[in-house]
Amino acid sequence: DAGVIQSPRHEVTEMGQEVTLRCKPISGHNSLFWYRQTMMRGLELLIYFNNNVPIDDSGMPEDRFSAKMPNASFSTLKIQPSEPRDSAVYFCASSREATNEKLFFGSGTQLSVL
Amino acid sequence: GDSVTQMEGPVTLSEEAFLTINCTYTATGYPSLFWYVQYPGEGLQLLLKATKADDKGSNKGFEATYRKETTSFHLEKGSVQVSDSAVYFCALSSGSARQLTFGSGTQLTVLP
Repeated sequence: DAGVIQSPRHEVTEMGQEVTLRCKPISGHNSLFWYRQTMMRGLELLIYFNNNVPIDDSGMPEDRFSAKMPNASFSTLKIQPSEPRDSAVYFCASSREATNEKLFFGSGTQLSVL
Repeated sequence: GDSVTQMEGPVTLSEEAFLTINCTYTATGYPSLFWYVQYPGEGLQLLLKATKADDKGSNKGFEATYRKETTSFHLEKGSVQVSDSAVYFCALSSGSARQLTFGSGTQLTVLP
C-alpha cells in the first residue's frame, strides 16, 4: 500500500498565480479530506468528500479556494489567485471507516506564496 | 463548539525520561479521543484512541486514559527515545459525522 500521495511536495509561487495541489488517496478509501496547517491556526479542515461528493466545505477560507474529486483516486485543491497569507502546509487525508475518525495523511505540500 | 487544548511546547527531554503531554477538551455529546503523531517531513498518523470514559488507549509504549470527570486525555510514556521526537496532536470526534477536531500540537524533542 503506497499510502496517500500528494504532489508537489513543495510549491513556491508569486502572489496572484494559480496553484493546484494534487492528492491520490489510498485505494478503497471512500472519504477524502483537505487540511491546512499553519503556526498561527494549527490544523484546519478545509473540505471533505465522501464517495467523491463534497460533504462539508465550510472550512474553505474564501472563493479563491476550490476543490474537486473527479473520481475515487484523485482530488485537487486549487487556489486562484494565490496570496501570501495562503502560505502553509496543505495535507490530504483519506479514510475508509464510516466514522471518518482514523485518517491516513499524506506527507503534505509546503506552499509558499511570495 | 468542540475544542481541544494542549500544553504549549516545545518539550525537550533526555532519553529515558518520563513524558506527559496534557490535553483537555470541550465537546457536546460523548466524544471519542485520539492522539496523532507527526514525524518530521511526514503527515499525521494515528497513535492511539479511546472511545469511552476510563478507556485507556496504548501503542508503542504511549498511553492515555479518557477522563470524563476532568475532560482530559493526557499522553504519557515511561521512557522516551530519540525516535519519539515528533509533534503530537490531541484530537476529538463527536456529532453524527464524527469529524476530527485537532489541538494545536506539541513539539517533542528527545536528546540522546
